[in-house]
Amino acid sequence: AAGVIQSPRHLIKEKRETATLKCYPIPRHDTVYWYQQGPGQDPQFLISFYEKMQSDKGSIPDRFSAQQFSDYHSELNMSSLELGDSALYFCASSLDSYEQYFGPGTRLTVT
Amino acid sequence: EDQVTQSPEALRLQEGESSSLNCSYTVSGLRGLFWYRQDPGKGPEFLFTLYSAGEEKEKERLKATLTKKESFLHITAPKPEDSATYLCAVSNFGNEKLTFGTGTRLTIIP
Repeated sequence: AAGVIQSPRHLIKEKRETATLKCYPIPRHDTVYWYQQGPGQDPQFLISFYEKMQSDKGSIPDRFSAQQFSDYHSELNMSSLELGDSALYFCASSLDSYEQYFGPGTRLTVT
Repeated sequence: EDQVTQSPEALRLQEGESSSLNCSYTVSGLRGLFWYRQDPGKGPEFLFTLYSAGEEKEKERLKATLTKKESFLHITAPKPEDSATYLCAVSNFGNEKLTFGTGTRLTIIP
């Protein structure tokens, strides 16, 4: 079965640079979620989109923005990167807001 | 604010030694309680959803149960390949986001 696809899988950036993470949800899923997981921590909700509209917002810094496109893929844009932004970033998708299926994640390292 | 507490933080078991993981939760209107398995550096893998007290679900050596205040993940005769971090999460009717616990790191020793 098709799963959530994330790219890139690994990303290394310097402080103050910009990063763009991409997520391709499971086909026919209507909701996309973004989570951030720091080392040894649980995933923290950032933002979600339902049918291309922002549906919920969590502890997402103002330096971050996201959108969902007409083909349902989503992008998380991160600017003015800080060392503390180093983490695993997961995208998840769901149908009718039930079970969320997670992608493999993007490991972002800020140096 | 929704809260999830998991215990123990870490658990080491001999292969074949059954045990249970606990997830206590506080949520304003439970929409669902979810169990995930996470291997190091990988995305959480969906295991179960429980919607109401008294509900039980099983998958291979795992069985999840739910009461009004907590959920248990029972593991029967575990194998080394069951070693992983098990995450519990809740969502409420006000939004769709998942609030996670900090997980139980399970190690099964051959």
